[in-house]
Amino acid sequence: GAGVSQSPSNKVTEKGKDVELRCDPISGHTALYWYRQRLGQGLEFLIYFQGNSAPDKSGLPSDRFSAERTGESVSTLTIQRTQQEDSAVYLCASSLSAATDTQYFGPGTRLTVL
Amino acid sequence: SQQGEEDPQALSIQEGENATMNCSYKTSINNLQWYRQNSGRGLVHLILIRSNEREKHSGRLRVTLDTSKKSSSLLITASRAADTASYFCATDAPSGTYKYIFGTGTRLKVLA
Repeated sequence: GAGVSQSPSNKVTEKGKDVELRCDPISGHTALYWYRQRLGQGLEFLIYFQGNSAPDKSGLPSDRFSAERTGESVSTLTIQRTQQEDSAVYLCASSLSAATDTQYFGPGTRLTVL
Repeated sequence: SQQGEEDPQALSIQEGENATMNCSYKTSINNLQWYRQNSGRGLVHLILIRSNEREKHSGRLRVTLDTSKKSSSLLITASRAADTASYFCATDAPSGTYKYIFGTGTRLKVLA
């Protein structure tokens, strides 16, 4: 079946602009995760959603970052007033549920802030 | 701070040799996973080992877990050029959440 998809695959924006990144999880997966990966670095947890529970936002680096998820489907990660340090690959992953451990990753969105 | 730290940061070997990567973590865990990442994009799940397991195999992969030392190792036997990738360990965060904390990764290069 279809895997996790993310769009756009690449995004170049100017400092100060807002950007919206989209993630389509695998159908039926109730858990959805967002990570940030700077060049040559590991993955930095940002936020996760599990069903209709309140999301765990503890990894969001500042109030410029927010994310939403509609039910158990699409999620959007919004970065307001982008800064150059926001440049990174943003990865989305989904799993059957948060308790089932194995995460399936999308290809990521490479964000470049000029 | 990172929960998992892999070493070495980079590893270069000849095709056919074995590659060993290590992961250390700080707090108690329920499970530890290893993922592979090609070309800086999406990660692929390789293997999961639970805290009550000491060793697990999957094809050419062997993972060990030593909870007393808070460390794990990933062994890839008879490496191939296609194994060239970055390898990350991920541990579940302290109880009460389902966050996963990823290490900094080991960049493996297998030379043909």
